[in-house]
Parts: sequence; structure tokens; C-alpha cells
Amino acid sequence: EVQLMESGGGLIQPGGSLRLSCAASGFTFSGYAMSWVRQAPGKGLEWVSGISNSGGNTYYTDSVRGRFTISRDNSKNTLYLQMDSLRAEDTAVYYCAKGTGVPRPHYFDYWGQGALVTVSS
Amino acid sequence: EVVLTQSPATLSLSPGERATLSCRASQSVSSFLAWYQQKPGQAPRLLIYDISNRATGIPARFSGSGSGTDFILTISSLEPEDFAVYYCQQRSNWPYSFGQGTKLEIK
Repeated sequence: EVQLMESGGGLIQPGGSLRLSCAASGFTFSGYAMSWVRQAPGKGLEWVSGISNSGGNTYYTDSVRGRFTISRDNSKNTLYLQMDSLRAEDTAVYYCAKGTGVPRPHYFDYWGQGALVTVSS
Repeated sequence: EVVLTQSPATLSLSPGERATLSCRASQSVSSFLAWYQQKPGQAPRLLIYDISNRATGIPARFSGSGSGTDFILTISSLEPEDFAVYYCQQRSNWPYSFGQGTKLEIK
């Protein structure tokens, strides 16, 4: 059974940093691209970042490029999102999502339960 | 950036009726479009990918069609568990993008 478990969310002040982790199990982690997708309270889905199965290629939406860094450790079956210079508009539930393709994520067939990040003073 | 516009924003129907949801792209996304279902408090679920391919375990009452810039998700006969929010997503161009969603509610 595929499982994705996010951790690391919480309340952080504007300008602060946070790192999300996503522990994956039930599939060959190194064989799939992965992504982070977020959802602000009461709003729709927004794709944030993606990473190829090897970790050699990374992709970002414009609003987070230069502030967020996606990475993965295939030996630990874990995906990460380092979030720096956080802003109020980054407040959202952050989902870890397994891609359907390689080397790019394509679509997302499994999702974690989400980690809430709240940026507020 | 490809903007996906979904319509209607809200669709009110009864169980057993046919639902037709629309997704329009600001530029061609070829065949690289998917549909997701999201229920309150849950993560999204992949329904359809590459316009018309059902994901694993998705019932046959869900179907997708379209090409280029105009796409349709059809639910042939609504079941009570189908009332949810539906999103389209494109993977043709970076950044990937989602539509703003269509809420399918019980009439």
C-alpha cells in the first residue's frame, strides 16, 4: 500500500523558515518523480514544486522560486521542501504527491494527508 | 503560464442525473490534462489522465473528453458519493497548473 506522510508543518512568523518532510512507503521511491501541491484555506489547489526521480532536476512555480527548495533522499525514501522567507500568502496545507511519470511528475496518483503551514505574526 | 478556467463554479444536480464539467485552457495543452476529485477534509484523488484515461479503480461512470484547449468531465449518473469539488490539471507547460475547481452539490 502506497503511503505518504508529511511532517514539519506549524506556525511560523513572516520571514521565517520551515522544512517539510514526506516519508514514502509502499512503492519504489527512486523510480518516481514527486511534487508538492498546496491549498490555501478555502481555496483551490496550487502546484508548488516538483523533482525528478533522481533528484537531478527541480521545478518551481514562480511565486516560490528562490525561496523554496525541493530535494529528496532516495536512500531514506523521503521528500523535502525547505521554505525560506515565508510570507502570509504561503499559508496553506502542503500535500506531498507521487507523480505518475519519470523524469517529470506528470500527474499525481497518491497524496499525503497534508501538513498545515501557517505564516503569521 | 497556462491558466485553466473551470465552469460552472457550482453545479447543483440530483443523484442519478448526468453531470458535465468544463475546463478551458488559455493555450493548447495537447492531450496533457487530468481531472481530480476532492472531498472535504481529504486529499485529492486522480480520476482521469491524458484527457480520457481512467485512473486505477475509478468507476466507468466517469469519463473525459476534449482536445487542445477545451475539455469535459462527464459523470453519467451521479451517485451520492460523487458530490465533491473537481479540479482539472495540465502538465503540458511549466509551471503545472490547476483550475479553480467546480463544486458539485446536491440539489
